Amino acid sequence: NAGVTQTPKFRILKIGQSMTLQCAQDMNHNYMYWYRQDPGMGLKLIYYSVGAGITDKGEVPNGYNVSRSTTEDFPLRLELAAPSQTSVYFCASSYSDSYDSPLHFGNGTRLTVT
Amino acid sequence: KQEVTQIPAALSVPEGENLVLNCSFTDSAIYNLQWFRQDPGKGLTSLLLIQSSQREQTSGRLNASLDKSSGRSTLYIAASQPGDSATYLCAVSEPKGGGQNFVFGPGTRLSVLP
Repeated sequence: NAGVTQTPKFRILKIGQSMTLQCAQDMNHNYMYWYRQDPGMGLKLIYYSVGAGITDKGEVPNGYNVSRSTTEDFPLRLELAAPSQTSVYFCASSYSDSYDSPLHFGNGTRLTVT
Repeated sequence: KQEVTQIPAALSVPEGENLVLNCSFTDSAIYNLQWFRQDPGKGLTSLLLIQSSQREQTSGRLNASLDKSSGRSTLYIAASQPGDSATYLCAVSEPKGGGQNFVFGPGTRLSVLP
């Protein structure tokens, strides 16, 4: 019963490098989300997807890109990493947008850009 | 723009005490409100979800209430235990595009002392 799986758990990038954060869920959820969590700031939505082939921007999308080719996978791409992207990144999923559909989270990826 | 705040930012109590965590939000047009628990270095675990039409939800020693008209929710923890030590976050779900957006509070860091 894996739920939402994120890889890697930790990563250090140099300024200007690129990387992809992986996220996969095995619950057949339509909705998937990427958040970043900065100390004392709560979680901010980066991108979200309501189904395969459909993605949209959240509150803080600059410097990131996503794709959703399958229901299961929702990778987050960082291009030209900057120190401001140092954060903990969480992927989440939910079954639908109904009133009783909770969010399920992965364990996060801790990214440091130096 | 929806804003979510949580009071207090941190709380330390002796084992066995009952305690209340507070969550406030500015826009009452929500699908639901969720309370999450986050352990250090881990993702968020959903504790309770209250639909917008509901007043409260209970799970074991946890009880969450929702007053949508006043923009408030409380999480009541009975007979606290050291294992309850964690950060507790609330989040409201609101309509966004073809899905829903979850707006998070900054969290309350709880320490239960043996």
